[in-house]
Amino acid sequence: DIQMTQSPSSLSAFVGDRVTITCQASQDVSVYVNWYHQTPGKAPKLLIFDSFYLQTGAPSRFSAGGSGTSFAFTISSLQPEDVGTFYCQQYDKLPFTFGQGTRLEIK
Amino acid sequence: EVQLVQSGPEVKKSGESLKISCRASGYIFSRYWISWVRQMPGKGLEWMGRIDPSDSNVNYSPPVQGHVTISHDKSVSTAYLQWSSLKASDTAFYFCARHRRGSGDDAFDVWGQGTVVSVS
Repeated sequence: DIQMTQSPSSLSAFVGDRVTITCQASQDVSVYVNWYHQTPGKAPKLLIFDSFYLQTGAPSRFSAGGSGTSFAFTISSLQPEDVGTFYCQQYDKLPFTFGQGTRLEIK
Repeated sequence: EVQLVQSGPEVKKSGESLKISCRASGYIFSRYWISWVRQMPGKGLEWMGRIDPSDSNVNYSPPVQGHVTISHDKSVSTAYLQWSSLKASDTAFYFCARHRRGSGDDAFDVWGQGTVVSVS
């Protein structure tokens, strides 16, 4: 199985800060990486698909990129509603796999 | 509006059987694969498997292969996840999710609200 390793596992930042999360794949997954946001007790929401495309309805402060084994997700200006957990996910090969998650808090 | 609505919470005992559902609306059910994703208490997301509602082709992740069955009923636009013999380790939140494109190899763009399953 392809392992997706996110960094950091948790982080705390101020409203307005620029925040970046990285995701490392254990093997080449081309651009087949997606990013999701989940708040406790709720279903995840798709933010980014195919490495860098912003999902319809997702705020423009979210961006991402990468290919091969290295990927990054950025929030340009952190907002209070961004608290929760962010996950990367690969769909290059079955079984699809998620990163372990990055928990984001507001300072 | 495109929606996936899941069945309600379940409380079961080890060894019992269970079938949870995911009803689709607002789009043509047979055109988009559906996946099931598990989230154990306090843990991350795990992909369990997917089904193509157009031909019933199913893929499972190795940890759940043989322990769960994914199926669907096109006549009611519903996908199912079932167990014949539950274990305590099946206690989790279960989400269904639609694949964004028709290929089944894609992001999950629409999610159900989740079904909590508690097994004692």
